[in-house]
Amino acid sequence: DIQMTQSPSSVSASVGDRVTITCRASQGISSWLAWYQQKPGKAPKLLIYAASSLQSGVPSRFSGSGSGTDFTLTISSLQPEDFATYYCQQANSFSYTFGQGTKLEIK
Amino acid sequence: EVQLVETGGGLIQPGGSLRLSCAASGFTVSSNYMSWVRQAPGKGLEWVSLIYTDGKTYYGDSVQGRFTISRDNSRNTLYLQMNSLRAEDTAVYYCARGSSGPYWFDPWGQGILVTVSS
Repeated sequence: DIQMTQSPSSVSASVGDRVTITCRASQGISSWLAWYQQKPGKAPKLLIYAASSLQSGVPSRFSGSGSGTDFTLTISSLQPEDFATYYCQQANSFSYTFGQGTKLEIK
Repeated sequence: EVQLVETGGGLIQPGGSLRLSCAASGFTVSSNYMSWVRQAPGKGLEWVSLIYTDGKTYYGDSVQGRFTISRDNSRNTLYLQMNSLRAEDTAVYYCARGSSGPYWFDPWGQGILVTVSS
């Protein structure tokens, strides 16, 4: 299986900050990558798919980039509702796999 | 409105069986790729299974041979039959619709807790 490694595991930031989360695949996955946001006690929500495509209804402050093995999720200006845990997911091959998550906390 | 509602969870002894249901509204299950994803308490997400529109099924390594995904078109419902349950199957189980193909998951149900313990 393809292993997905996110960094950092947690990050503290303030409202208005720019934050970048990275995800590395153990082998090349082209652009078969998605990003999800999960708040405590809630189901995950799809933010970005195909590495850089913004899901309908997701604010434009979220963006994704990368291909091959290295990917990034960027939040351009943090809002209070953005504090959550973020997961990457590869869909290049079965079994689909997720990163371990990055918890974004308020500084 | 597109909605997914999971039912059927609970406490089950190791070695037992359980069937989860995911009732869909606002869209047709058989015309969409549908998945199950689980999350152990305090842990990350793990993809479990996927059913294609043509009925083909796929499973994660940890559940292959024990779990079966299926759907009932007349009830517009997705199922996950779980057999030979183990303690490590304890998790919140989410059903999710495929978005832009079978690759991405959106939306998700609210999740249902399955606890495997004696």
